[in-house]
Amino acid sequence: QVQLQESGPGLVKPSETLSLTCAVSGYSISSGYYWGWIRQPPGKGLEWIGSIYHSGSTYYNPSLKSRVTISVDTSKNQFSLKLSSVTAADTAVYYCAIQLWLHHFDYWGQGTLVTVSS
Amino acid sequence: EIVLTQSPATLSLSPGERATLSCRASQSVSSYLAWYQQKPGQAPRLLIYDASNRATGIPARFSGSGSGTDFTLTISSLEPEDFAVYYCQQRSNWSWTFGQGTKVEIK
Repeated sequence: QVQLQESGPGLVKPSETLSLTCAVSGYSISSGYYWGWIRQPPGKGLEWIGSIYHSGSTYYNPSLKSRVTISVDTSKNQFSLKLSSVTAADTAVYYCAIQLWLHHFDYWGQGTLVTVSS
Repeated sequence: EIVLTQSPATLSLSPGERATLSCRASQSVSSYLAWYQQKPGQAPRLLIYDASNRATGIPARFSGSGSGTDFTLTISSLEPEDFAVYYCQQRSNWSWTFGQGTKVEIK
C-alpha cells in the first residue's frame, strides 16, 4: 500500500517561502496518478492547494495560484510544494495525498504543522 | 468555484442511532463527490467516493447517495469510533473543494 510522508521546516518567517516535500513509498510516482496538497488551519476545515500529474501537469487553487508551485522529482520518488510570500494566514497542517482516480484523495500523509511567525 | 455546503454543522447522537449528513453543491458535480472522516490529530480518511462507493476497508454501515447537487452520507448505526468530523469534497473543472464539515458528537 502506498505511504506518504511530509517533511519540511515547522516554522517560516512572514514574507518568506514555505517549502515542503512529500516522500512516497510503496509506489513509483513515474508510473502514474495525480498527487495533491491540502492544508488545514488550526481548528478549521480543509483547503485544496493544488495537484500534479506524474508527468508534471499542475492544477492550482485559484485563490493561491499566484504563490504556489508544485513539482515532482521522479528520481527521488517525491513531490514538493512551495508557497511564497507567506503570512500568518498560511499557518496550517499541510497534507499530501494520492489521487488514484483523480476526483478524490485516496491516501493521505500524516500531515505536518507549519507556523508562520517571526 | 463550486461551493459545498454541509448540514448540520453539528449532529448530537447516541451510539446505535442513525446519522444522516447532507452536502449541497452550488452547481452540479455529477457524481464526483467524496466523503472523508477526520478524528482529532489525524489525517482525513476516505470513506465514500463517486457519491456511493465505499473505499477499501470501510464498514458497510457507511453509505452514500445522491447526484447532481444534493448528497447524503448515512451511518446506519453509530459505533463509538464514528464520532468525528465528516467532510464532503468535489472535483469539477480541474478544481477541488471541500465542505466546511459536520461534527458528529456524542449526545
